[in-house]
Amino acid sequence: EVRLLESGGDWVQPGGSLRLSCQASGFAFSNRDVGWVRLAPGRGLEWVSVIGASGTSTYTAGSVKGRFTISRDNSRDIVYMQMNSLRVEDTAVYFCVRVGTMGATRDFDFWGQGTQVVVSS
Amino acid sequence: QSALTQPRSVSGSPGQSVTISCTTVGGDPTGYNYVSWIQHHAGQAPKFIIYDVARRPSGVPDRFSGSKSGNTASLIISGLQADDEADYYCYSYAGLYRWVFGGGTKVTVL
Repeated sequence: EVRLLESGGDWVQPGGSLRLSCQASGFAFSNRDVGWVRLAPGRGLEWVSVIGASGTSTYTAGSVKGRFTISRDNSRDIVYMQMNSLRVEDTAVYFCVRVGTMGATRDFDFWGQGTQVVVSS
Repeated sequence: QSALTQPRSVSGSPGQSVTISCTTVGGDPTGYNYVSWIQHHAGQAPKFIIYDVARRPSGVPDRFSGSKSGNTASLIISGLQADDEADYYCYSYAGLYRWVFGGGTKVTVL
């Protein structure tokens, strides 16, 4: 059974930093792209960042580029997201996702339950 | 503003069918050809229910179906059940490792 378990969400002041972690299990982690999608109040879902299976390729949404960095540890089946210079508008539930390849394009075929990040003074 | 537009809410009685639309806003109407759908019950992990417009992952009931006409994709929920009350999001792969989501639709079972 595929499982994605996020942790690291917290309350932080604007300008602060957080590191999110996602422990994966139930699939060959080192063979799959994984990433993060967030759900902000009143704003719906937004993809944030994806990292290729080997860890050498990363892709990040413009809204967080230069502030958020995704990485992975294939020896421990964990994906991270380092979040710096946090803004109020980064407040959201952050979901860890697996990128699936069953269809014609790339899909988010498994999701974690999410971890809450609140950026507020 | 999302590049994919969904109604904010739809509702139906148990046993009825509801349809959620997902329309490309502006741009090439043939873009975002491969639309997928996510079901999200608050506090739970979102669930992947439709991909490639109309295909269902293993384990998803056939009460959930998808279609597309022109620049509008649709999710149809037939035989509405209480547990179908959730938020539903369409999204599409935009190429070069970018994805675009719709704003989400809240389904209420009356």
